[in-house]
Parts: sequence; structure tokens; C-alpha cells
Amino acid sequence: DTEVTQTPKHLVMGMTNKKSLKCEQHMGHRAMYWYKQKAKKPPELMFVYSYEKLSINESVPSRFSPECPNSSLLNLHLHALQPEDSALYLCASSRGGQEPQHFGDGTRLSIL
Amino acid sequence: GQNIDQPTEMTATEGAIVQINCTYQTSGFNGLFWYQQHAGEAPTFLSYNVLDGLEEKGRFSSFLSRSKGYSYLLLKELQMKDSASYLCAVFTNAGKSTFGDGTTLTVKP
Repeated sequence: DTEVTQTPKHLVMGMTNKKSLKCEQHMGHRAMYWYKQKAKKPPELMFVYSYEKLSINESVPSRFSPECPNSSLLNLHLHALQPEDSALYLCASSRGGQEPQHFGDGTRLSIL
Repeated sequence: GQNIDQPTEMTATEGAIVQINCTYQTSGFNGLFWYQQHAGEAPTFLSYNVLDGLEEKGRFSSFLSRSKGYSYLLLKELQMKDSASYLCAVFTNAGKSTFGDGTTLTVKP
């Protein structure tokens, strides 16, 4: 079990669907992250939120839309995804930008 | 940009010591982190270095030389459960984190 909780654990969706990934932490961390990880590859940074504001967007396509409703929650809204977007999506949090990141177990996403 | 290099695979024997190296070239370097990732699981934080020198945490130690762009993770008294992928990640003063491709460690009896 991790202190960063992600739901759902698995998600299968069609290319025309709209879905959301959710991430929650109650460690009082002020930085939250979304990563994408393909099989046998390292995590790739997508977005960083610092104090609930988007601070980094690594040129992610607009079909991925992050949202930080409050300091404990981070969402990733998905729309019109492509088959190549199938991957493990990891959420992480840290006390600050230069502190160790704690990862959730991830959402395994499959696009049909 | 950033360039991070780690060996792809390593094999070691249970009870032995293994050193996993990581070299990097990056602008705005601010620190280096080591993570362990078992297949199908999330990365787990192991150790981090901001300043030059050795950081020790139980069976795991990590070393950093900023001038050489070099770090290593040292694992002592290897156990079978240490078989995993070990990722070094570089953090910059812009708040970005970049992971190396990881080193797959296999511990044999």
C-alpha cells in the first residue's frame, strides 16, 4: 500500500470516450505530478502542480487535461486518446519541488 | 536537454555487494534521486543526493560527484527481493525531473 492513492487501477476506453484518472494524498505535500510509463521504459514527466498551480507542462497533447481541485487531489482528464496513449499513468507527490517523490500504484490505461 | 546513462542490466549473487552507476549531463542540476521499481509496481524512493558525498541508509548507500556528473547506488548484503529495476532521476532547479532508463538487477542464489 502507498500513501498516494490512484483510481481506477485499470481503465479500458475507446478513442471517443471521456474519462478521468484520480489521485489523492493526505501527507500535506504541496507538489503533485503526473507521469506516463510505457513497458520497460522509465517514467516520463507530464505535468507538475506546485501549491495547486500548474508549474510544468512537458508539451503534453491537449487530449490530456490536468486539474488540481485542492492540495490533496489531482485529476487527469482524458478525451479522444490514441492507441499509443496506452500506458501506466503514475501520480506522485512531494513536500516540495526538490524533495523525494512518493508514487501511487498507477492506473493501467488501455485504449482500444 | 538532459542525458542520463545507466547500465541496462546487472547480475549479482545473494549476500554480495553491487554498485550501480549513473552518469548525467544536465543544465540546472539540483539533485539526484534513486528509485527501486519491481515489475508491475510503482517506483519506491531509496535515496537522494544534493551535495557531493555519500549518503547511507541501511543496506543502501548513494554517492554523488557534481563536478564529474556521476552517482552510484551501492547495495550491500544482497537479497533475492532486491531483484528489480533501479532508476536514477535528475532534478533541475526548474523543478523538472528526468529518469534514466533504469538498470535491471538480477540477484541469483
